[in-house]
Amino acid sequence: SQKIEQNSEALNIQEGKTATLTCNYTNYSPAYLQWYRQDPGRGPVFLLLIRENEKEKRKERLKVTFDTTLKQSLFHITASQPADSATYLCAIFGNEKLTFGTGTRLTIIP
Amino acid sequence: EPEVTQTPSHQVTQMGQEVILRCVPISNHLYFYWYRQILGQKVEFLVSFYNNEISEKSEIFDDQFSVERPDGSNFTLKIRSTKLEDSAMYFCASSGRQKKNTGELFFGEGSRLTVL
Repeated sequence: SQKIEQNSEALNIQEGKTATLTCNYTNYSPAYLQWYRQDPGRGPVFLLLIRENEKEKRKERLKVTFDTTLKQSLFHITASQPADSATYLCAIFGNEKLTFGTGTRLTIIP
Repeated sequence: EPEVTQTPSHQVTQMGQEVILRCVPISNHLYFYWYRQILGQKVEFLVSFYNNEISEKSEIFDDQFSVERPDGSNFTLKIRSTKLEDSAMYFCASSGRQKKNTGELFFGEGSRLTVL
């Protein structure tokens, strides 16, 4: 069956350090992979999309990598800040729907 | 900036009652979705809707659920006879034509449904 797994349910990182979140998928061949942010009690907010032919994508302090051989995406936040504390979701779009991973709850400790 | 709006923000209902959750997608978007999130769990796909018909639905979206776009702006989710396990946050989302293949979705803030 198809799965999108985010290895860490929760991750605590010291302010200023780089947070790295992992997304692994099975039985998908996605042309694109997306990352969203979700704050408690709110809807997911789109952050970044990476294509299968892109190894890396950056947006300000965010960086995403996509390894179709390993079937894995890594999401990095550099110079992390307490305001980055949220749940981060990876997602794959296919068959007319966006399917989310389990999410990683990131806490940046001041 | 355009946004997806949902009403009500919170609804409490008795088991067996019908509930309608309403959404106003972004005005030039063509693809519409409902998702749900049970407290502490992942965001789950319910249904996608395009050109006035359902494109895809999940196993959760059984005969108790229906969707409708009654006019040019609203997109509704109806639950005919609510069960305790329908208690969740329900998110509406929309996407534009240019995002058809990539599926970048814009989500509303959600409607929290509590079934007693």
